[in-house]
Amino acid sequence: SYVLTQPPSVSVAPGETATITCGGDDIGSISVHWYQQRPGQAPVLVVYDDTDRPSGIPERFSGSNSGNTATLTISRVEAGDEADYYCQVWFTNSVQCVFGGGTKLAVL
Amino acid sequence: EVQVVESGGGVIQPGGSLRLSCGASGLTVRNHYMSWVRQAPGKGLEWVSVIYKDGREKYADSVKGRFTISRDNSKNTVHLQMKSLRAEDTAMYYCGVVHYDVLLGYFDCWGQGALVTVSS
Repeated sequence: SYVLTQPPSVSVAPGETATITCGGDDIGSISVHWYQQRPGQAPVLVVYDDTDRPSGIPERFSGSNSGNTATLTISRVEAGDEADYYCQVWFTNSVQCVFGGGTKLAVL
Repeated sequence: EVQVVESGGGVIQPGGSLRLSCGASGLTVRNHYMSWVRQAPGKGLEWVSVIYKDGREKYADSVKGRFTISRDNSKNTVHLQMKSLRAEDTAMYYCGVVHYDVLLGYFDCWGQGALVTVSS
């Protein structure tokens, strides 16, 4: 089965840029989606279809996807961005939905 | 506003059965792909099951043959019937509305979750 690999943790100072990666075999050929999960809360979609943002999500959140790596970038990081972030893909032909292992973003 | 609310969680002994429900408002479940995702304590997200608009069902290998997803159109509700429960099924179970088309699928609405604890 397909595996998505994320770093367990990323640390960044307030105001800086956080980069969270999601690695997978030829992931650039698949649509990747990203979720934010704050402690004790349900996940929230922050980026879908590699680069699109749902309404209400700040422009500070952006995504890219190429080759074997998809990336979630959070600019001008705020304390409220501290959360777990998950990437996800869905293979519609085989109906296989896969999540990455998650990355804990710490705002120093 | 679209909202889904899970219910039916609780403590159950190994080998037992439990049924989770996902009630929806602001959308009609038969017109959407509805799915369950679980999260074991301190762990990541794991996809469990999906029911298509046409009623077809799909499952993760870890629950195939033990879990059944279904839909009650009259109550606008989706269910997850869980049987032969194991300790490793202990998790928060989230119901999600899936945006699904030929090329992609993602969860654009999540419930707050229902906690299932399998323990003797």
